[in-house]
Amino acid sequence: DVKVTQSSRYLVKRTGEKVFLECVQDMDHENMFWYRQDPGLGLRLIYFSYDVKMKEKGDIPEGYSVSREKKERFSLILESASTNQTSMYLCASSPQGRRETQYFGPGTRLLVL
Amino acid sequence: GIQVEQSPPDLILQEGANSTLRCNFSDSVNNLQWFHQNPWGQLINLFYIPSGTKQNGRLSATTVATERYSLLYISSSQTTDSGVYFCAVEASYNNNDMRFGAGTRLTVKP
Repeated sequence: DVKVTQSSRYLVKRTGEKVFLECVQDMDHENMFWYRQDPGLGLRLIYFSYDVKMKEKGDIPEGYSVSREKKERFSLILESASTNQTSMYLCASSPQGRRETQYFGPGTRLLVL
Repeated sequence: GIQVEQSPPDLILQEGANSTLRCNFSDSVNNLQWFHQNPWGQLINLFYIPSGTKQNGRLSATTVATERYSLLYISSSQTTDSGVYFCAVEASYNNNDMRFGAGTRLTVKP
């Protein structure tokens, strides 16, 4: 079974803090994605990566950056957290050329005070 | 970008009832998926269905690409079907952009 894990299920941070969300997948997938989920808006793509050290902006990259130093790990970074970044963050992975088989992690609920 | 609309936003059923969830999209697509998010937040892929019909147990899905809609059918619903169902599409003109609808929240009562 494909396993996508995220470092925290719940996280509480203060405005201005630097926040790291980690995602690890164990199936040697090339593609990895970060989404945020907000009520009434569905999931929105923040960033994705097709290979190590490669990244592409999604719909809403502002206020976020990412890092992919190793194939299995994709990190989302909030350089200076703000209250409007309070959300559920979901990581996903998929094999190269097979976006239809996207596997999601359990999500991280981030609250920024 | 491509627009995705799901209906209804909320649905409450009695156990054993059937239901149909709809997903409308504004442009031609080369990828359409249905997902179920359980009450604990885990998203599971149900169907990859850019066109045609597929069935998996009590669930089936149909996409009519020429008319830009997809339907998810749930028959003999069970309480474990509760959660949010998302439709996600990838426009033919932009392979890097998968758009999710706002979801349909389904509650199945015993």
